Amino acid sequence: ETGVTQTPRHLVMGMTNKKSLKCEQHLGHNAMYWYKQSAKKPLELMFVYSLEERVENNSVPSRFSPECPNSSHLFLHLHTLQPEDSALYLCASSQDRDGGRDTQYFGPGTRLTVL
Amino acid sequence: DAKTTQPPSMDCAEGRAANLPCNHSTISGNEYVYWYRQIHSQGPQYIIHGLKNNETNEMASLIITEDRKSSTLILPHATLRDTAVYYCIVRGRDFGNEKLTFGTGTRLTIIP
Repeated sequence: ETGVTQTPRHLVMGMTNKKSLKCEQHLGHNAMYWYKQSAKKPLELMFVYSLEERVENNSVPSRFSPECPNSSHLFLHLHTLQPEDSALYLCASSQDRDGGRDTQYFGPGTRLTVL
Repeated sequence: DAKTTQPPSMDCAEGRAANLPCNHSTISGNEYVYWYRQIHSQGPQYIIHGLKNNETNEMASLIITEDRKSSTLILPHATLRDTAVYYCIVRGRDFGNEKLTFGTGTRLTIIP
């Protein structure tokens, strides 16, 4: 499935590095999401963008900085991460309509390891 | 807090129908039942969703009880590639109530 793509698929970084995760959706959607999935924990919603504006930020530490330059692309900029930030980072997209948000479709995820 | 209850694990023989139950006794009138699955270390894959009528697509069927307090996902002819964790999720589609809350799901193992 190529509806939502994420790069890189795997990333290993040190605590002092700066890196970025990229997500691209090819579904014509206008809402995009970042989720975090730690080992043996449910998905946690981090950020929601609708029409390129951030509409939700679930108390995420400032070392995670999202960017949505257009409705097809979403970035997550990482700096000064901690080992406990190691997780699977998932991007999703959906269509916002007047009646609410439709089904979310997920990308394959980026497996992040912080040393 | 998860709004759904699922058995932690199930086995199903290859080629047979896999029936995965889900209880959602506190579902409200405008909330949908969604099913996703997640193969190890991959992103969740959307399967199907419904409000009150039974639904069918190329992947599965969703049977929702008349009182909407429970549902069953049916994979009609399970294959080895259907081995995954299956999540039953209740969500609204109104802005602010569209959050996906994944519980622990059912780990389905297809036996050759």
